[in-house]
Amino acid sequence: DVKVTQSSRYLVKRTGEKVFLECVQDMDHENMFWYRQDPGLGLRLIYFSYDVKMKEKGDIPEGYSVSREKKERFSLILESASTNQTSMYLCASSPTLATGAEAFFGQGTRLTVV
Amino acid sequence: AQKVTQAQTEISVVEKEDVTLDCVYETRDTTYYLFWYKQPPSGELVFLIRRNSFDEQNEISGRYSWNFQKSTSSFNFTITASQVVDSAVYFCALSAYNTDKLIFGTGTRLQVFP
Repeated sequence: DVKVTQSSRYLVKRTGEKVFLECVQDMDHENMFWYRQDPGLGLRLIYFSYDVKMKEKGDIPEGYSVSREKKERFSLILESASTNQTSMYLCASSPTLATGAEAFFGQGTRLTVV
Repeated sequence: AQKVTQAQTEISVVEKEDVTLDCVYETRDTTYYLFWYKQPPSGELVFLIRRNSFDEQNEISGRYSWNFQKSTSSFNFTITASQVVDSAVYFCALSAYNTDKLIFGTGTRLQVFP
């Protein structure tokens, strides 16, 4: 079974803190994604990566950065957490989508910034 | 630009009713893929189906069926004889052949009451 594992299920951080959300996949997938999920807004793409050290901005990259030093690991970084970044964060991985392959998701990290 | 619209925010039905979840998409690409995912209360998105743009055959899998119509840019999902376990948020998603972005709709929350 494909496994996408997010390091934390719940996190509470203070405003201004630097926050790291980690995601690891075990299927040698090229692509990895970070989404945030908010009520009424669905899943919005923050960043994605199609190869090691490669990244592309999604629809809402402001306030976030990412790191992919190894193929299996994709980190989302909140440089200075703010309350409007309180959300559910979902990581996903997939083979190249050009093949029509589906994405596999982690269990999500619910981040609260106080 | 790619876009997925799920106009139904929330649907409530009583067990054994049939229910259809609507999905309308926009893309300029001629080769693309459409997906449906289910998000149960546990939070992890589960892949249900994939369709490529050249295959307009409807698909049935048990109580689930999908109707893909390019003429109306729609990819609707029907659950026949709904059950309480079908209660979840359902997302429609789109990826185009020449991009590795996976774009989601805002989701439809389905509640099935006994």
